[in-house]
Amino acid sequence: AQSVTQLGSHVSVSEGALVLLRCNYSSSVPPYLFWYVQYPNQGLQLLLKYTSAATLVKGINGFEAEFKKSETSFHLTKPSAHMSDAAEYFCAVSKMISNFGNEKLTFGTGTRLTIIP
Amino acid sequence: NAGVTQTPKFRVLKTGQSMTLLCAQDMNHEYMYWYRQDPGMGLRLIHYSVGEGTTAKGEVPDGYNVSRLKKQNFLLGLESAAPSQTSVYFCASIKNRGTVHEQYFGPGTRLTVT
Repeated sequence: AQSVTQLGSHVSVSEGALVLLRCNYSSSVPPYLFWYVQYPNQGLQLLLKYTSAATLVKGINGFEAEFKKSETSFHLTKPSAHMSDAAEYFCAVSKMISNFGNEKLTFGTGTRLTIIP
Repeated sequence: NAGVTQTPKFRVLKTGQSMTLLCAQDMNHEYMYWYRQDPGMGLRLIHYSVGEGTTAKGEVPDGYNVSRLKKQNFLLGLESAAPSQTSVYFCASIKNRGTVHEQYFGPGTRLTVT
């Protein structure tokens, strides 16, 4: 079974500091992995995705994530936090649906990022 | 293209009432999904559809029914609403098999059951 675990339901960082949001996955097959961001009262927006190409994935708004198979991790980072980064972030893994292939996303429980001025 | 749209945006129901949430997409996508989002639980799949006329259960299907009579629409029904169904509901779609990395989400429907 494929799943993701997000460590830390709340993370606070100072403006300008490094952002590190943790995601570990479990998968019996090579996964597709995703990070989504949700701003207050809005839907989900794709930040970046890993689909078995380069292990370092760059996304929008200066975020990036590195796929580390040995650590089964896909942590999200940004070198310098901005006030506009305050949101909830979800890690997700693609999951097999019976005989249809990797067609379903399984989400982590989310990490709420607060930026301290 | 409007992408994925959801109707209504907000709704308050009393326990026992019924309602239908509508999801529409104009991208000719084959697969459509209904999720619910609850604090501390992420998004959980309720039902999904891999094509017109087909539906299947997800992780948390109890208390919900769905229909996909037209390719562009995916309806989520609550026959007898319960307070436990208070949640934010998201619809999503993908073009076809192998494109889960291109999943499009609707803006959500916030439902409160009193």
